[in-house]
Amino acid sequence: IAGITQAPTSQILAAGRRMTLRCTQDMRHNAMYWYRQDLGLGLRLIHYSNTAGTTGKGEVPDGYSVSRANTDDFPLTLASAVPSQTSVYFCASSPDRTDTQYFGPGTRLTVL
Amino acid sequence: GESVGLHLPTLSVQEGDNSIINCAYSNSASDYFIWYKQESGKGPQFIIDIRSNMDKRQGQRVTVLLNKTVKHLSLQIAATQPGDSAVYFCAEVDAGNMLTFGGGTRLMVKP
Repeated sequence: IAGITQAPTSQILAAGRRMTLRCTQDMRHNAMYWYRQDLGLGLRLIHYSNTAGTTGKGEVPDGYSVSRANTDDFPLTLASAVPSQTSVYFCASSPDRTDTQYFGPGTRLTVL
Repeated sequence: GESVGLHLPTLSVQEGDNSIINCAYSNSASDYFIWYKQESGKGPQFIIDIRSNMDKRQGQRVTVLLNKTVKHLSLQIAATQPGDSAVYFCAEVDAGNMLTFGGGTRLMVKP
């Protein structure tokens, strides 16, 4: 692993199903973030974590949850997916909260 | 609320020419700005950043200019190449390191 990886690359999901998007970084960055990117709206922050064991809400947290059990992993869970959660999801990390964020390749999620 | 925006949604330039991508911001309290490049199907890639105590910063073929008086940020790309074709985002960083992204400008390089 080098940098940030995300899985799956893409997913089609039925509404009401539960889904977890995975994000792993091997750079020992303390801070990690989840964004969604929608056409015409740019990237919007969903949740963040400044360090392992802590999480916080971003601009659009409703319908999503995160956990940060260790430094490397920051999964994003949709408990009951809805069509409005169709988007491209990007995970990012930074050495510390005040450093530049680096992004993963993204997960394209379609909720039908 | 505060926002970051871009003047031009699409910019088309000839290969070899210089490109200038502009961005306006409204939060005068932001002290850090970043330019990202996003190619199709990929995540945003860091290009260059600038702190509010600077008005210019240069990288390899790229220069960022910051005008705090008019709250304006620009990215200049010298000798634009086909590989520069992408969507470029400016991002404003607040004291809590929360990024607010602009809507993006698509740069198209004509051979």
